[in-house]
Amino acid sequence: EDQVTQSPEALRLQEGESSSLNCSYTVSGLRGLFWYRQDPGKGPEFLFTLYSAGEEKEKERLKATLTKKESFLHITAPKPEDSATYLCAVQALDQGAQKLVFGQGTRLTINP
Amino acid sequence: GAVVSQHPSRVICKSGTSVKIECRSLDFQATTMFWYRQFPKQSLMLMATSNEGSKATYEQGVEKDKFLINHASLTLSTLTVTSAHPEDSSFYICSAKLAVGPDTQYFGPGTRLTVL
Repeated sequence: EDQVTQSPEALRLQEGESSSLNCSYTVSGLRGLFWYRQDPGKGPEFLFTLYSAGEEKEKERLKATLTKKESFLHITAPKPEDSATYLCAVQALDQGAQKLVFGQGTRLTINP
Repeated sequence: GAVVSQHPSRVICKSGTSVKIECRSLDFQATTMFWYRQFPKQSLMLMATSNEGSKATYEQGVEKDKFLINHASLTLSTLTVTSAHPEDSSFYICSAKLAVGPDTQYFGPGTRLTVL
């Protein structure tokens, strides 16, 4: 069974304090790994898709990386507006319906 | 680009009534749409996969007669919660995948359902 585990469950940082969020996964064969940001009471907002080990993608203060077992979302010099829940999801190669399996998320709080 | 809308954003209904939620892809065609539910402080749980012009595929444990899904066009899918009960109260979110191109799912803003 495909599984996604995110850590930590919650993270509180000071503005400007860089850190990383972890997403560990087990999947029969990886079709893609996805990062989303979700604000309270809203739907997830797409951030990145990673397809193969060694791949990296960047957007503003965020950088996502991928290995064969895990992905990291690095946040550099965060601002209060980066506060949100960050969700990681995987899609398996054998999922003809392109189903996503989500982790529990990391609740990130950036204090000014 | 890749904007998905949902309507209504919030609905309150009495126990025993049915509620319909619409999911629209505004600027792209989506042959496949997905319906999720999310409980407070929990992650998204896939309920069903909706394919345009065919029957939906439901996840294990999801009652297909209670959660009716229709995907009549390339831009619209609907979820009807029939004979709703308080335990059906939740945050329902849809997503859509482009008909051509990457597998990325784009999510709607969600619908908060409260059953009294």
